[in-house]
Amino acid sequence: GAGVSQSPSNKVTEKGKDVELRCDPISGHTALYWYRQSLGQGLEFLIYFQGNSAPDKSGLPSDRFSAERTGGSVSTLTIQRTQQEDSAVYLCASSPETLSGNQPQHFGDGTRLSIL
Amino acid sequence: GENVEQHPSTLSVQEGDSAVIKCTYSDSASNYFPWYKQELGKGPQLIIDIRSNVGEKKDQRIAVTLNKTAKHFSLHITETQPEDSAVYFCAASIGANFGNEKLTFGTGTRLTIIP
Repeated sequence: GAGVSQSPSNKVTEKGKDVELRCDPISGHTALYWYRQSLGQGLEFLIYFQGNSAPDKSGLPSDRFSAERTGGSVSTLTIQRTQQEDSAVYLCASSPETLSGNQPQHFGDGTRLSIL
Repeated sequence: GENVEQHPSTLSVQEGDSAVIKCTYSDSASNYFPWYKQELGKGPQLIIDIRSNVGEKKDQRIAVTLNKTAKHFSLHITETQPEDSAVYFCAASIGANFGNEKLTFGTGTRLTIIP
């Protein structure tokens, strides 16, 4: 597709369940980012991938959160034993690799996660 | 780490008037400043960006100015139209070789254009 694709668009689950969120970046983009947007708030950085490696996981809020990327393309963000405070919109962005840095990040429409 | 503050949180302007949104950042090493527009139920859409080696950039009705000394940057929208109504976010990042250009975002400005 032309843009960043995220699925599912909406997810409702019970507290304590595990969830997986998927991001398909723009073709050829080697950098991939996950952000979280709580209701009425700005975006909070979670994790960054360059290719399949994650040099910066500093934004993951707890060890219940993990992410992987395989084949330098699709990424999955997993939240284990979900809590109500995990309810938010999870946004994925991708950008091209560059030697000079600072390439625009293009966002998907996010997954709206609701924990009951 | 980097901290970005954004003002105002809400802004209403008459159609045709100009709108200005201001942001300040804390880390003098930041060198890339994008602005995003977010409509309800959608992801943020990049509308303009500026790098630290320039002071101003313009794209049709949208312009961004950067003052590195004062560590603030602003978004200017002229001749506003109803479709400009949305939430706008500023952001800052410290570029590095091969990235990581993680963005630190402001808390957003809800812009309403009054017909």
